[in-house]
Amino acid sequence: GAVVSQHPSWVICKSGTSVKIECRSLDFQATTMFWYRQFPKQSLMLMATSNEGSKATYEQGVEKDKFLINHASLTLSTLTVTSAHPEDSSFYICSARDPGGATEAFFGQGTRLTVV
Amino acid sequence: AQKVTQAQTEISVVEKEDVTLDCVYETRDTTYYLFWYKQPPSGELVFLIRRNSFDEQNEISGRYSWNFQKSTSSFNFTITASQVVDSAVYFCALTSGTDKLIFGTGTRLQVFP
Repeated sequence: GAVVSQHPSWVICKSGTSVKIECRSLDFQATTMFWYRQFPKQSLMLMATSNEGSKATYEQGVEKDKFLINHASLTLSTLTVTSAHPEDSSFYICSARDPGGATEAFFGQGTRLTVV
Repeated sequence: AQKVTQAQTEISVVEKEDVTLDCVYETRDTTYYLFWYKQPPSGELVFLIRRNSFDEQNEISGRYSWNFQKSTSSFNFTITASQVVDSAVYFCALTSGTDKLIFGTGTRLQVFP
């Protein structure tokens, strides 16, 4: 199946700093990528839909100024958590669909963010 | 509105037992897709299966099998002869082609030796 690579797999940052997470589709071009957030022992919640060359579409309740999404190329989307606070600590995971294939969503390995 | 319900929060079995994970969905769309994913402790989501709404054939893949019944809006997942490596959280998900995946709350499966 298609491969989605997410980096870094984990990061610890100080409160008030910004953290960038990358999501890459390695063997296909992804016009659309998705960013999810998962709290411990909870389900995945969609944060935003990242569209190549245009603005991301954020889900209700997600602060777009805090979670900046950039999808500058067909193989890369980035999520930047700005001015991170301890409550932003979570597991962030991206996914992408191969537009030429079926409807499977392939997920990155996830990024565990800890803000101290 | 679309919804996926996994009523079983946690299941514990002993190795070699069979186990069925339940998934019930709600959608008004006639065309939709159902998925199962496995999330081991490492966190990544492993794709297991996709089923579209027009294909009600059951599927078997090794020790895994899936039972899709539109009449009851269910898409249940059975692991036969479970193994310790099957221990993980399993998510059922739904999409209707809007590209958004709607996830259930997950079922944590623990397989004890």
